[in-house]
Amino acid sequence: QVQLQESGPGLVKPSQTLSLTCTVSGGSIRSDGYYWSWIRQHPGKGLEWIGYIYYSGSTYYNPSLKSRVTMSVDTSKNQFSLKLSSVTAADTAVYYCARERLIVDTAMVFYFDYWGQGTLVTVSS
Amino acid sequence: DIQMTQSPSSLSASVGDRVTITCQASQDISNYLNWYQQKPGKAPKLLIYDASNLETGVPSRFSGSGSGTDFTFTISSLQPEDIATYYCQHYHNLPRTFGQGTRVEIK
Repeated sequence: QVQLQESGPGLVKPSQTLSLTCTVSGGSIRSDGYYWSWIRQHPGKGLEWIGYIYYSGSTYYNPSLKSRVTMSVDTSKNQFSLKLSSVTAADTAVYYCARERLIVDTAMVFYFDYWGQGTLVTVSS
Repeated sequence: DIQMTQSPSSLSASVGDRVTITCQASQDISNYLNWYQQKPGKAPKLLIYDASNLETGVPSRFSGSGSGTDFTFTISSLQPEDIATYYCQHYHNLPRTFGQGTRVEIK
C-alpha cells in the first residue's frame, strides 16, 4: 500500500521560504507513469494544484505560482520536495502531496490516487 | 486555465435520497474529469475517474456521467457516511484545476 507523508515547519515568517518534503513508502518514486504533485487548500476553501515533478526531475508548475515555486526529487530517499519563496499570509494553507497516476488505454487517463494526510503551514511573524 | 464550476455549493438531503451534483467546464474537456470526496480534516479520496469509472472499492451508489463541458455526479441513496465535500477536477491539460466543492449534509 503506497503511503505519502508530508513533513516540514508548520510556521513560516512572511517573506521567507516554505519548505516541505514528501516521503513515499510502499512503492518506488522511480516508477514510470506517476507524477508527484503538491496541492494546497486554503482554510475552508477549495483545492489548488501547485505543480508536479517526475522522477526524472522534469517539472510543471502552476503559472499562478511559477515564479515562486521550486520542486525537487531525491530518488535515493524516495522523497520529493516543495519550496515556495517570498511567502505571505495568503500562502497559509494545508499542503498535500499526492501521486497522480497515468493510465494509457484508449486515451490517457490521469487521477490523484494517493494523498498524504496534509500539513498545515501558517505564515505569520 | 480551465475553470470548473460546481453546483450547488451545498445541499441538505435525507438518508436514502438521490443526490446530484453538477460540474461545468469552461471549455470542452471530453471526458477528462475526476470526482473526489473529502471528509473534514482528511485528504480527498478518489471516487470516479474518467467521468464515469468507479474507483476500486468505492460503493456502487456513487456514479458519474457526462462529457464535453457538462458533468453529473450522483449518489443514488445517500448514507450518513457520505457527509463530505465533493470536488470535480479536470485533467484535459495543465494546470489541473478543481471545482469549488459541494458540501453535502444530512437533513
